[in-house]
Amino acid sequence: GQQVMQIPQYQHVQEGEDFTTYCNSSTTLSNIQWYKQRPGGHPVFLIQLVKSGEVKKQKRLTFQFGEAKKNSSLHITATQTTDVGTYFCAHSDPHGSSNTGKLIFGQGTTLQVKP
Amino acid sequence: KAGVTQTPRYLIKTRGQQVTLSCSPISGHRSVSWYQQTPGQGLQFLFEYFSETQRNKGNFPGRFSGRQFSNSRSEMNVSTLELGDSALYLCASSPDRLMNTEAFFGQGTRLTVV
Repeated sequence: GQQVMQIPQYQHVQEGEDFTTYCNSSTTLSNIQWYKQRPGGHPVFLIQLVKSGEVKKQKRLTFQFGEAKKNSSLHITATQTTDVGTYFCAHSDPHGSSNTGKLIFGQGTTLQVKP
Repeated sequence: KAGVTQTPRYLIKTRGQQVTLSCSPISGHRSVSWYQQTPGQGLQFLFEYFSETQRNKGNFPGRFSGRQFSNSRSEMNVSTLELGDSALYLCASSPDRLMNTEAFFGQGTRLTVV
């Protein structure tokens, strides 16, 4: 399947600092989804991007999909302790003969926020 | 609407045993996918079921199997357990994954093989 590389693996920030995680693919993606998993919890859907160059915002979170649809980023402005968790990007390829309905996840970026 | 329910939440098994995990999707959701999450490998796709049919399968050995019932509930089975099967097993449901809809995850079953 189409792998996605996610960086960084870990990020420690001081509360109030910004945070960004990146997902990169060597091939064009049909879509990108972002999930957040709190410590001890399960992945929770945040957003989906499908259009080239798309930018979506959710309060302090900004999601971008690259023009070539090969990369994506999640940026958090002024982090809070409630932002702690692991952020995953994922994509699906419903048009691929062997990837129908399957989500392929990046390795995740674990965010720690120091109060 | 009730969320995705997975049972049991925790399980301890011995090497060589088999285990069955259960997943009840959100009412009305017909697609159920299973994932294995480990610190080293991250989230790995196991298989997906839709309308009682396996629609896709990941790269796991044949010891991992699953099925879906007419009410969309799904079970996965792991036979001849190995230490490396210790993981969090997550079930996700959606109306239809082919429509690129979000996946709703259950709390997971934490399996420990000793």
